[in-house]
Amino acid sequence: QQQVKQSPQSLIVQKGGISIINCAYENTAFDYFPWYQQFPGKGPALLIAIRPDVSEKKEGRFTISFNKSAKQFSLHIMDSQPGDSATYFCAASPGGKLIFGQGTELSVKP
Amino acid sequence: SAVISQKPSRDICQRGTSLTIQCQVDSQVTMMFWYRQQPGQSLTLIATANQGSEATYESGFVIDKFPISRPNLTFSTLTVSNMSPEDSSIYLCSVGWGAGEKLFFGSGTQLSVL
Repeated sequence: QQQVKQSPQSLIVQKGGISIINCAYENTAFDYFPWYQQFPGKGPALLIAIRPDVSEKKEGRFTISFNKSAKQFSLHIMDSQPGDSATYFCAASPGGKLIFGQGTELSVKP
Repeated sequence: SAVISQKPSRDICQRGTSLTIQCQVDSQVTMMFWYRQQPGQSLTLIATANQGSEATYESGFVIDKFPISRPNLTFSTLTVSNMSPEDSSIYLCSVGWGAGEKLFFGSGTQLSVL
């Protein structure tokens, strides 16, 4: 009930390509879905977030797609750059605290 | 956003000792949480730090092992007690202003237990 499942575990994309990371959840009480980016030795940094009353949110090259009926959401990184190489975590929030997915290690090749 | 200062940034400790980690925020926040991130793993919530009362612990975490204090709206401490090598992890403080709102993370404390 409290799990958030993330895939793939790792992803290699060519520069300029689209990176897609998927997450699924079970608990319909989750009301907030953020994505975090983490570089080695740093804490996670909030990238973009969505609430379940919206099906899509775009900020620059980053887009969240949200499917409430399927209980799935995904992160799309357009025009991926080597500087995007990091670990990405999806999360879901039941009332403030965050439950994290397992993480995706993204590598963007030049 | 918030500026979150965590101290120490890293430490190497001996088995059986305790370490207290501090989290200081530059503004008053409603919510403060402590997370653990084991090497190469995801983040696991340890507890919610409640201002002026006992922390709320997640399943698998107990107060005797991870005592937490939160004396005001800008400061909290997490103590890792009677440490063993299995406690070697990154410990992260996160803060926010309410349910459904953004949560920000400190840079973490990297703990190694020998």
